[in-house]
Amino acid sequence: RKEVEQDPGPFNVPEGATVAFNCTYSNSASQSFFWYRQDCRKEPKLLMSVYSSGNEDGRFTAQLNRASQYISLLIRDSKLSDSATYLCVTMDSSYKLIFGSGTRLLVRP
Amino acid sequence: EAEVAQSPRYKITEKSQAVAFWCDPISGHATLYWYRQILGQGPELLVQFQDESVVDDSQLPKDRFSAERLKGVDSTLKIQPAELGDSAMYLCASSSNGVPDTQYFGPGTRLTVL
Repeated sequence: RKEVEQDPGPFNVPEGATVAFNCTYSNSASQSFFWYRQDCRKEPKLLMSVYSSGNEDGRFTAQLNRASQYISLLIRDSKLSDSATYLCVTMDSSYKLIFGSGTRLLVRP
Repeated sequence: EAEVAQSPRYKITEKSQAVAFWCDPISGHATLYWYRQILGQGPELLVQFQDESVVDDSQLPKDRFSAERLKGVDSTLKIQPAELGDSAMYLCASSSNGVPDTQYFGPGTRLTVL
């Protein structure tokens, strides 16, 4: 079983739609949580950190449920430029990042 | 904006050959990471350096892979001999002691083994 599990998708949505991604993690000792975005054949880039209280950055909202070991990302008003793979990531106490396999999002005109 | 540099960006080699990848982290970043990303999967840590010391190389296939960071700045990852299953993107990342939970990734080296 992978440490971080994600639905691979693809999620195919029209512009303007709201889309949500979920992931689960198995290591209850995970210290920090992130969503990274990765464009095709490019390096991953930090999208946002995820806090227990939930956090929002423009059209993006992230939530963490430590009890259920569950992380979510909500994207409102999807843009064509949001098309990418979204990686759910945890960090352990030695600052090692554990990546999920990613969820692919396709936003169509 | 400071960036992590990697070279080469692309490498094609035949199996059993030796390959080497280079990474120059953001200036002042003490921690350097090498990740391997196989197509369709997330990156997986191969080795982590704190300055010139290896902190974690538990996932590094040490029979064929080696990594060094002799002066605690830039780093080299070597594969000898390369195998077909080594075809992947090799990503380098760095982070500072002040903000250890933020890693910045380089553009990666895409390796194809024929």
